[in-house]
Amino acid sequence: DGGITQSPKYLFRKEGQNVTLSCEQNLNHDAMYWYRQDPGQGLRLIYYSQIVNDFQKGDIAEGYSVSREKKESFPLTVTSAQKNPTAFYLCASSMTGPDEKLFFGSGTQLSVL
Amino acid sequence: GQNIDQPTEMTATEGAIVQINCTYQTSGFNGLFWYQQHAGEAPTFLSYNVLDGLEEKGRFSSFLSRSKGYSYLLLKELQMKDSASYLCAVRGTLNAGNNRKLIWGLGTSLAVNP
Repeated sequence: DGGITQSPKYLFRKEGQNVTLSCEQNLNHDAMYWYRQDPGQGLRLIYYSQIVNDFQKGDIAEGYSVSREKKESFPLTVTSAQKNPTAFYLCASSMTGPDEKLFFGSGTQLSVL
Repeated sequence: GQNIDQPTEMTATEGAIVQINCTYQTSGFNGLFWYQQHAGEAPTFLSYNVLDGLEEKGRFSSFLSRSKGYSYLLLKELQMKDSASYLCAVRGTLNAGNNRKLIWGLGTSLAVNP
């Protein structure tokens, strides 16, 4: 079945530690996105990529990094520079047509120990 | 600035009809999306409107008026499983990266009671 897979479902980060969230899709989508969702706030875009080996900062990129070495994969690293990393992280993918809808992964809940 | 407004919470009864409103102010308009999100899960696509009018899809319908900056999602024959958050998102103008950015509302939490 085609879909978008995020792992792990739950992740804990220690102070000063970098952690990486995985996102894989087999929908053959060109575009991939990372969003952060906090209680009482709308989805906020961290990074997005429209093509392999290229990515752009979203609205809240500070403290995060990404790579897009393969079309299917778009991992997100939450670095120690991100001082408030506790949130629900959502990866999404889409085609690049004018009415493209987003397909979301099941999300990763990141918490700080 | 860019803004999307939705009611924070709504309550309805099983079998009834509920209308969730969304008003938006954005720089440019290239379509409006509705997504459903159950607690702790991923949002799933419900509908897309780019032209004025009503789009019907089973128990769910979505309406758009571009001149009024207004949309609504209509849910008929409510079921308990419809208890979820409903997110309105607007695609604005092309930005420098040739990407039509999505602006998200905070979501409307709908509780369906027996």
